[in-house]
Amino acid sequence: GEDVEQSLFLSVREGDSSVINCTYTDSSSTYLYWYKQEPGAGLQLLTYIFSNMDMKQDQRLTVLLNKKDKHLSLRIADTQTGDSAIYFCAESIRTGGSYIPTFGRGTSLIVHP
Amino acid sequence: DAGVTQSPTHLIKTRGQQVTLRCSPKSGHDTVSWYQQALGQGPQFIFQYYEEEERQRGNFPDRFSGHQFPNYSSELNVNALLLGDSALYLCASSLGSTTLQYFGPGTRLTVT
Repeated sequence: GEDVEQSLFLSVREGDSSVINCTYTDSSSTYLYWYKQEPGAGLQLLTYIFSNMDMKQDQRLTVLLNKKDKHLSLRIADTQTGDSAIYFCAESIRTGGSYIPTFGRGTSLIVHP
Repeated sequence: DAGVTQSPTHLIKTRGQQVTLRCSPKSGHDTVSWYQQALGQGPQFIFQYYEEEERQRGNFPDRFSGHQFPNYSSELNVNALLLGDSALYLCASSLGSTTLQYFGPGTRLTVT
């Protein structure tokens, strides 16, 4: 079955790097995603990685995928107070003609000055 | 380019009542998925609509039903509301079977 685990909280100082970790269970996962949710808002797709990739970089964001250990991480360089939010990891496989993501419980990132 | 929109923003209902939530997909998208997000949890998949039919369904009871219209907008209906149905209901749109889903701001439903 599908299950996604994340640590619940992460606190960092402004300007430092943040690393949010995630583990998933379904080895047939095709895509893995990171979403950001600010208070009272919907989910914003930050980035995603295909399962045959090891790394993806997009400006301040770096995604690392260790498929052997089923471990996904999101690194945010030069973390700013505006990065404070809940970050969700999600995995999906193709079933019934579409991809349906399964989400973790989210990691609450707190950035303090 | 309009993103995903949802209405209403907030809603308060009483146990046993019925509710209808609405979603308009991002321009150019034809697939709508609905999720329930309880407090402190990640979104849970309810169902997905494509070509006006339910294509996939998550582990939710039949009290949860939906509809997709020819213009690709969608409704989520919940009957016989329970206190446990209180949550943020998120709509996401995508194009066909592509993997990228874009979420709306959600409807906060409170059942008293």
